[in-house]
Amino acid sequence: DAGVIQSPRHEVTEMGQEVTLRCKPISGHNSLFWYRQTMMRGLELLIYFNNNVPIDDSGMPEDRFSAKMPNASFSTLKIQPSEPRDSAVYFCASSLGVSASYQETQYFGPGTRLLVL
Amino acid sequence: GESVGLHLPTLSVQEGDNSIINCAYSNSASDYFIWYKQESGKGPQFIIDIRSNMDKRQGQRVTVLLNKTVKHLSLQIAATQPGDSAVYFCAEIPNNAGNMLTFGGGTRLMVKP
Repeated sequence: DAGVIQSPRHEVTEMGQEVTLRCKPISGHNSLFWYRQTMMRGLELLIYFNNNVPIDDSGMPEDRFSAKMPNASFSTLKIQPSEPRDSAVYFCASSLGVSASYQETQYFGPGTRLLVL
Repeated sequence: GESVGLHLPTLSVQEGDNSIINCAYSNSASDYFIWYKQESGKGPQFIIDIRSNMDKRQGQRVTVLLNKTVKHLSLQIAATQPGDSAVYFCAEIPNNAGNMLTFGGGTRLMVKP
């Protein structure tokens, strides 16, 4: 079975450019999560969807970041404009999503390594 | 657990020995815990989970122990192999936090052949 799929795997861009990261969750999973990983801050949850609806976006750093989930099999995380401090590895994860409040295992994608020059 | 920034604690073990990786969590309301393994250049990989109504759970070569009294979680790996070399994270979900994981800072496991 295919796991969580993310694209691109690597992205190098210049400051001020728009960056769009993409994620396809595991088929049948109803919850989707975006995380950011840096050496200094570790793994941080940015936003969490259940049944395509954003449940908690308190981790989104600022208005330059936005995330959408137009359908059950696709989500995007957009940074506009990008800044060098956004350089990190961005992970998408999914879980069964029995409900927005049920605690269950999350399965991670391979990540997108973003470098903003 | 809190992020430890640039310097991950490192555990170095001999191949074939048992490994014990520890994690202290801070939220007494946490009632679901997961251990993840992250190899270089890859995403975190689920290893084993445990809910707060248990104090021990076993998988294949791995055992998780939960001590709620002192808010401590440990991962035991039996007969450690070179392929076990990775960074290991504990993660917790408080019972009022829906499905939102909070990750610890991680421990790097190095297996010497």
